[in-house]
Amino acid sequence: DGGITQSPKYLFRKEGQNVTLSCEQNLNHDAMYWYRQDPGQGLRLIYYSQIVNDFQKGDIAEGYSVSREKKESFPLTVTSAQKNPTAFYLCASSRSVVTDTQYFGPGTRLTVL
Amino acid sequence: AQKITQTQPGMFVQEKEAVTLDCTYDTSDQSYGLFWYKQPSSGEMIFLIYQGSYDEQNATEGRYSLNFQKARKSANLVISASQLGDSAMYFCAMREGVGGTSYGKLTFGQGTILTVHP
Repeated sequence: DGGITQSPKYLFRKEGQNVTLSCEQNLNHDAMYWYRQDPGQGLRLIYYSQIVNDFQKGDIAEGYSVSREKKESFPLTVTSAQKNPTAFYLCASSRSVVTDTQYFGPGTRLTVL
Repeated sequence: AQKITQTQPGMFVQEKEAVTLDCTYDTSDQSYGLFWYKQPSSGEMIFLIYQGSYDEQNATEGRYSLNFQKARKSANLVISASQLGDSAMYFCAMREGVGGTSYGKLTFGQGTILTVHP
């Protein structure tokens, strides 16, 4: 089945640690995105990538990093510089950044202990 | 200023009845797109329906329809014949035209929690 997978579903981190969230898609989409959702809120864009080896900051990129070495994969690293990382993280993809519908993965819930 | 406004934090509807979820938007672009997503308690965002700013007819997808009133900048979601499985959070989102700093990103509203009663 075509779709977007995220792992792990739940992640616990100690303060000061970096963690990496996985996002994989087999939809052959060029564009991929990372969003953050806080309780009772809408989604905010962290990073997006239009093609392999290219990515751009979104609205809240500070404390996060990404890579796009393969079309299928767009991992997000939450660094120790992110002051309030506890949140729900959603990955999405679309055929292109400009015109197409974004489809989402199941999300990763990160909790900092 | 809020670009997407969903004024109903929560809505209740009886099973089999229709319900309208409100969404107003603010943009100076001529070309933009409006989306509705459903987020059940599991957390996944499920795409429901899309309306382009140049589309002359309101979008429909099964039991979902989008009441698009361009002059009023509103894009309300209508769910007909509500089902218990429709209970979820619903988000309205807008993609503005390409150019400047927009880069086609989605801007989301705060969401509306819909509860369907049996």
